[in-house]
Amino acid sequence: DAKTTQPTSMDCAEGRAANLPCNHSTISGNEYVYWYRQIHSQGPQYIIHGLKNNETNEMASLIITEDRKSSTLILPHATLRDTAVYYCIVRVAPRSSGDKLTFGTGTRLAVRP
Amino acid sequence: DTEVTQTPKHLVMGMTNKKSLKCEQHMGHRAMYWYKQKAKKPPELMFVYSYEKLSINESVPSRFSPECPNSSLLNLHLHALQPEDSALYLCASSREGRLSYEQYFGPGTRLTVT
Repeated sequence: DAKTTQPTSMDCAEGRAANLPCNHSTISGNEYVYWYRQIHSQGPQYIIHGLKNNETNEMASLIITEDRKSSTLILPHATLRDTAVYYCIVRVAPRSSGDKLTFGTGTRLAVRP
Repeated sequence: DTEVTQTPKHLVMGMTNKKSLKCEQHMGHRAMYWYKQKAKKPPELMFVYSYEKLSINESVPSRFSPECPNSSLLNLHLHALQPEDSALYLCASSREGRLSYEQYFGPGTRLTVT
């Protein structure tokens, strides 16, 4: 699976958009970009995933560059509850044996009042 | 119901004890996972079960013994652990194999080995 690079920490103001970058310059054509987050003292939570096209769901938007070497997770209106560690993971599609996730060190996002 | 439950929430055990961690889901998922998370580190995959059969073992020491008695339950049996095994143990589940894009995680069991 491709390696990812994320900033160690970021902050944003409550109510503003939080844009979390992820570099994955060695990504292969069959590898997806996943985002999970982990709020303190909780298990990780799936946010979104994509292959080539931009994706949006009720939690966030995922913007993948045309060359797929980087992506950005956008939380459109950050709240204090969005303070968490955000993990960008790049991997191939799940196999019949299950989905083997390898978490990197992630970005610690602090949303300030 | 999109919940994965784990019991107990906290566990303290000695190095000679035998204990078990329990995980349960009722989402009809057929893949279940154990992860280990040390303080201030990301989660690390330990085991994957697919259709109640062990499909991935990430070279975990034999003092950790997983068991999947049915499609809703996943256990992790612990024996002769070391203090460095103290960590948060997370369980997760997902739909069957090739549809496993989203994993649902439980809150974890915080284990302390004394």
